[in-house]
Amino acid sequence: DAGVTQSPTHLIKTRGQQVTLRCSPKSGHDTVSWYQQALGQGPQFIFQYYEEEERQRGNFPDRFSGHQFPNYSSELNVNALLLGDSALYLCASTLGSTDTQYFGPGTRLTVL
Amino acid sequence: EDKVVQSPLSLVVHEGDTVTLNCSYEVTNFRSLLWYKQEKKAPTFLFMLTSSGIEKKSGRLSSILDKKELFSILNITATQTGDSAVYLCAFRSNDYKLSFGAGTTVTVRA
Repeated sequence: DAGVTQSPTHLIKTRGQQVTLRCSPKSGHDTVSWYQQALGQGPQFIFQYYEEEERQRGNFPDRFSGHQFPNYSSELNVNALLLGDSALYLCASTLGSTDTQYFGPGTRLTVL
Repeated sequence: EDKVVQSPLSLVVHEGDTVTLNCSYEVTNFRSLLWYKQEKKAPTFLFMLTSSGIEKKSGRLSSILDKKELFSILNITATQTGDSAVYLCAFRSNDYKLSFGAGTTVTVRA
């Protein structure tokens, strides 16, 4: 049973650049959420996708956008990168509106 | 504003000790409280609690929720070095997101 997978594992970008992170949900799951985790902090909710639509959004600027594909995989795009965007980006999947979310290993983004 | 506070921020114990982690919350429309263990990157699911006073157990780990006093406890008995991790508490209200606390870092020394 495949768990949540994310790519790439690590990424280094410079300020002003754009980045795309990818996530494949756990087998049988149709809902994907994205979280940003800064060092020493808990994950912060960015948004959730269900049926290829953004269902809910957290307090993140429009520079953060996403997409969900028909196979339920998802992308997170961040434009005009800032130093403060350096963090671990976690993807979590669930089935429908089930409470328990299962997390992937994350993508470590470093912005120089 | 909804919030969840975990305490202590960190602790160091020796193998065999018992650890008690606290999670208090202030949230409107509470639906569930979840505990995760984060060792390197991926938080791994431990427990979900929705009903007050019912203990959930898995091996040496157990957790209980008090909806009247708005807190939850995670206990780890007979700790092992493999229990060293950050333990995250999160709640879900009637929307779809999980709101996390900052976590408690547990270090178990041999």
